[in-house]
Amino acid sequence: KAGVTQTPRYLIKTRGQQVTLSCSPISGHRSVSWYQQTPGQGLQFLFEYFSETQRNKGNFPGRFSGRQFSNSRSEMNVSTLELGDSALYLCASSQDSTYEQYFGPGTRLTVT
Amino acid sequence: AQTVTQSQPEMSVQEAETVTLSCTYDTSESNYYLFWYKQPPSRQMILVIRQEAYKQQNATENRFSVNFQKAAKSFSLKISDSQLGDTAMYFCARETSGSRLTFGEGTQLTVNP
Repeated sequence: KAGVTQTPRYLIKTRGQQVTLSCSPISGHRSVSWYQQTPGQGLQFLFEYFSETQRNKGNFPGRFSGRQFSNSRSEMNVSTLELGDSALYLCASSQDSTYEQYFGPGTRLTVT
Repeated sequence: AQTVTQSQPEMSVQEAETVTLSCTYDTSESNYYLFWYKQPPSRQMILVIRQEAYKQQNATENRFSVNFQKAAKSFSLKISDSQLGDTAMYFCARETSGSRLTFGEGTQLTVNP
């Protein structure tokens, strides 16, 4: 089976712009979670989608949003980018909430 | 707040030796899942091992095993016969709210030849 894929792998954006990141889960996985990784804050949970519904949400401002499509692919959007949004954004998929989460390679976002 | 703590920011070990990484966590639940992930320089997060809290038996995956002490809320990872490819950042994590992983700060492990 193919692993979790994320596109694009690298992004450079300017403060105030918006960005959309994409994640394709492992075939058969219906849960997709997003995490932000920064040197200062470590790994932080953004949100989780299951069957096109947001099931869980972390403590991030409303500028961070996401959605999931009927084929389980997910996108996350960050509007009005700030310098502090520079991070590695990781997507993970799992078969069920009690199963292991498998991570994609991440999208490195740099905000200038 | 439900936290996961890794008290060793960095560790090093000689090739072929054994090393143990420590992790403690906080929870009020009786059943939950614990994980160790490794993140090599490529930044790809790789699942190493999983432990279900209701299972008494410690999980084992080849050279990787855990010492799960539920009462003490401790979950350490033992790597036997360390290999150069084990060099990575190791994260301890526990599942919360059914799908959300809470991660520790990480332990940077370096395996020396």
